[in-house]
Amino acid sequence: QSALPQPPSVSGSPGQSVTISCSGTSRDIGNYDYVSWYQHHPGKAPKLMIYGVTKRPSGVPDRFSGSKSGNMASLTISGLQADDEADYYCSSYAGGYSLVFGSGTKVSVL
Amino acid sequence: QVQLLQSGAEVKKPGASVNISCKASGYSFSNYYIYWVRQAPGQGLEWTAIINPNTDSAKYAQRLQGRVSLTRDMSTTTVYLHLSSLRFDDTAVYYCVRGHLPLISFQYYSLDVWGQGTAVTVSS
Repeated sequence: QSALPQPPSVSGSPGQSVTISCSGTSRDIGNYDYVSWYQHHPGKAPKLMIYGVTKRPSGVPDRFSGSKSGNMASLTISGLQADDEADYYCSSYAGGYSLVFGSGTKVSVL
Repeated sequence: QVQLLQSGAEVKKPGASVNISCKASGYSFSNYYIYWVRQAPGQGLEWTAIINPNTDSAKYAQRLQGRVSLTRDMSTTTVYLHLSSLRFDDTAVYYCVRGHLPLISFQYYSLDVWGQGTAVTVSS
């Protein structure tokens, strides 16, 4: 299965909000509320930021929020901070215990 | 603490096979899925496989079907990934990752603790 399209990059100034989209199909995002988002600083392990479309693991600030509409999922980062600069990947369950990841989005803090 | 420790980097020729180990510690091994995810140079994350250590049941990405297999050793709390008939485009860093929630919980198929990664280079 091909990677779910995400915008290659988004950027914002400190304090602003940015939204990253993740475009799926009726076989993955559209069919399951099992969308996750990961933050990946190069050289470090990816970090789970959102699971189950909207849920935040303990320790993840509420500046990070997730949503879904139809076949599209989104991650919004509010109050952008310098440390938010990283790559972000969505993933979705696609049935049969399989997962599909997004293509990745580089978030830059101007 | 919860930790996944992977084996070291590998360099293989096309057509060869590679085995990567992932030793889990700090939690109940049989209670969480182990996923495998790979990242080719300059590319994004790609799901590769999943295993239920409790049942030894595994599922694989369609594009790797027939070439990949997972096994687990309960006595050493280790999962092994075996990839055969290696191709140049198998060059990637391979990560084992623990599922976020225990098997007794509702599964969202989210990934939590990552191993340090194992670089596999396929080169002639």
